[in-house]
Amino acid sequence: KAGVTQTPRYLIKTRGQQVTLSCSPISGHRSVSWYQQTPGQGLQFLFEYFSETQRNKGNFPGRFSGRQFSNSRSEMNVSTLELGDSALYLCASSEQGISSGNTIYFGEGSWLTVV
Amino acid sequence: KNQVEQSPQSLIILEGKNCTLQCNYTVSPFSNLRWYKQDTGRGPVSLTIMTFSENTKSNGRYTATLDADTKQSSLHITASQLSDSASYICVVIQYGNKLVFGAGTILRVKS
Repeated sequence: KAGVTQTPRYLIKTRGQQVTLSCSPISGHRSVSWYQQTPGQGLQFLFEYFSETQRNKGNFPGRFSGRQFSNSRSEMNVSTLELGDSALYLCASSEQGISSGNTIYFGEGSWLTVV
Repeated sequence: KNQVEQSPQSLIILEGKNCTLQCNYTVSPFSNLRWYKQDTGRGPVSLTIMTFSENTKSNGRYTATLDADTKQSSLHITASQLSDSASYICVVIQYGNKLVFGAGTILRVKS
């Protein structure tokens, strides 16, 4: 069974640009969640989608948005990039969601550098 | 304020030795607590999941404990191996699907 797949793995963007990251969950998983990881702030929760609906959102500005498609694949978009958005962006999937007690499986992440 | 504090920040042990990592939390309402292992440059991998009623959960050489009264958890690693070198992250999940992450403990196992 394939794991959580994230693309691209590495990317460099310029301040002010926007970026879209993609995530394919494990087959059969309906929950996809996104996280930002930086050396200074550690891991932080961005949002969770379940069956195409955003179920919860962390404390991030509106520049961070996402969506989930009918096949459970998800995308995350960051608009008007700032230097501080440089981070590892992780996607994770689970069968029934974050607080269900199911195991949450993480992808390898997308490394974003903003210059 | 909902917080998860992990100690120590970093730890160096000799291969074959045991170690214990600590996690104290103030998150409420509590749903479950998870320990993850994250190798450098990789995504976290789930080690254990514990709900309010569970005191101990094992996964091979990893054993997690939970004291819901004192809001403390520990992760004990037995007979450490070089491959155990990683960051260990404690995560507490609130009802309402909110996650609170600890800063992690960086473990280095030396030969």
